[in-house]
Amino acid sequence: SQQGEEDPQALSIQEGENATMNCSYKTSINNLQWYRQNSGRGLVHLILIRSNEREKHSGRLRVTLDTSKKSSSLLITASRAADTASYFCATNKQGAQKLVFGQGTRLTINP
Amino acid sequence: NAGVTQTPKFQVLKTGQSMTLQCAQDMNHEYMSWYRQDPGMGLRLIHYSVGAGITDQGEVPNGYNVSRSTTEDFPLRLLSAAPSQTSVYFCASSYSRGGETQYFGPGTRLLVL
Repeated sequence: SQQGEEDPQALSIQEGENATMNCSYKTSINNLQWYRQNSGRGLVHLILIRSNEREKHSGRLRVTLDTSKKSSSLLITASRAADTASYFCATNKQGAQKLVFGQGTRLTINP
Repeated sequence: NAGVTQTPKFQVLKTGQSMTLQCAQDMNHEYMSWYRQDPGMGLRLIHYSVGAGITDQGEVPNGYNVSRSTTEDFPLRLLSAAPSQTSVYFCASSYSRGGETQYFGPGTRLLVL
């Protein structure tokens, strides 16, 4: 069963524009994480936000978490061609020793 | 540090054959896990380990065995391969708990005919 559901499933934008991806989940969590996967590669951790945090920044990335709505968003500002990848959210449910991944958003940045 | 390494990168099996996917990490991480990734399904947890000698089942454990005799290694064994096990397999590790940041290997692409 999937805990996190990303939206949209696919997103195509022009280079320089901002990209926003959303993730919804079902149960109480300890933290929510975002990962990037380039084609044919393993996943790379981008950012972790804990349940008591509302917003976090890392370079051009901004993540928000709304625990009342059980949702998170990942914003990539000033997108570049190198940002083309699939992005996954993953949640750590309270009391669990594992992450549950969503199905991902495929982001394409057009030059 | 090499991080998380996986071998082989690609493997073709016939139905009924067995094989072991290797995973090793050199970061002294306690937690290790195996996922499979299928189109449109995201990553699904197969088995995980919170330390040497301790393993547990994930979401899709059937048809797979694991053991953890050392902190560094966490092999995944396919007992009798089936076409439904055609997938890309990822090994991951984290420092202490499974809910923290995970570091992924490059993956093993498996085709079962």
